[in-house]
Amino acid sequence: QSVLTQPPSVSGAPGQRVTISCTGSSSNLGAGYDAHWYQQLPGTAPKLLIFGSTKRPSGIPDRFSGSKSGTSASLAITGLQGEDEADYYCLSYDTSLSGWVFGGGTKLTVL
Amino acid sequence: QVQLVQSGAEVKKPGASVRVPCKASGYTFTGYHIHWVRQAPGQGLEWMGIINPDGGSTSYSQKFQGRVTLTRDSSTSTGYMELSGLRSEDTAVYYCARGDRGTLYFDYWGQGTRVTVSS
Repeated sequence: QSVLTQPPSVSGAPGQRVTISCTGSSSNLGAGYDAHWYQQLPGTAPKLLIFGSTKRPSGIPDRFSGSKSGTSASLAITGLQGEDEADYYCLSYDTSLSGWVFGGGTKLTVL
Repeated sequence: QVQLVQSGAEVKKPGASVRVPCKASGYTFTGYHIHWVRQAPGQGLEWMGIINPDGGSTSYSQKFQGRVTLTRDSSTSTGYMELSGLRSEDTAVYYCARGDRGTLYFDYWGQGTRVTVSS
């Protein structure tokens, strides 16, 4: 059971928009800590997609966006492409655990 | 460019220890933290601990407290993760990642080291 809760899977057709939620608690997202999002393609290391809940590193397309409100955060992907098929993870800091916590991960399938 | 390079795969017997290096380049080694994250086969990401190369202070996930030791050699810009008392459940890919001190996220990752624990 992960401290940050994500849906196990989401899917969408090419060109569509999907969102992935990340639900935490008062000791992590609700305490004001940001959500950060990673994309992991099969057999590769995670890649930073969104940091500080809403910011994109250079080189990440603006099809990817993040938001946060209260104890939840979301990753939105618009204009879905086949190459977006991957696992997505949220990350935050937890004060109760005095450490970092990941969501359980969400597998995105492009239909 | 920033790079974190890890060693190749390891096979260990139950009860043994494993030490995984993570060699950093392309930035000031003592200016950023090094985190360690593992991923068991078919499972999600799990944070293990953090080391501040500037001074060597560490903090560990409670799950691994007592079994994991993070160290660094600033002369070679290398961080190390040692996990002792290996059991089959420790079979996983172990990643190092660079941590930004101010904003609490991991921006660059190593390619991962696969550790297999089998008798």
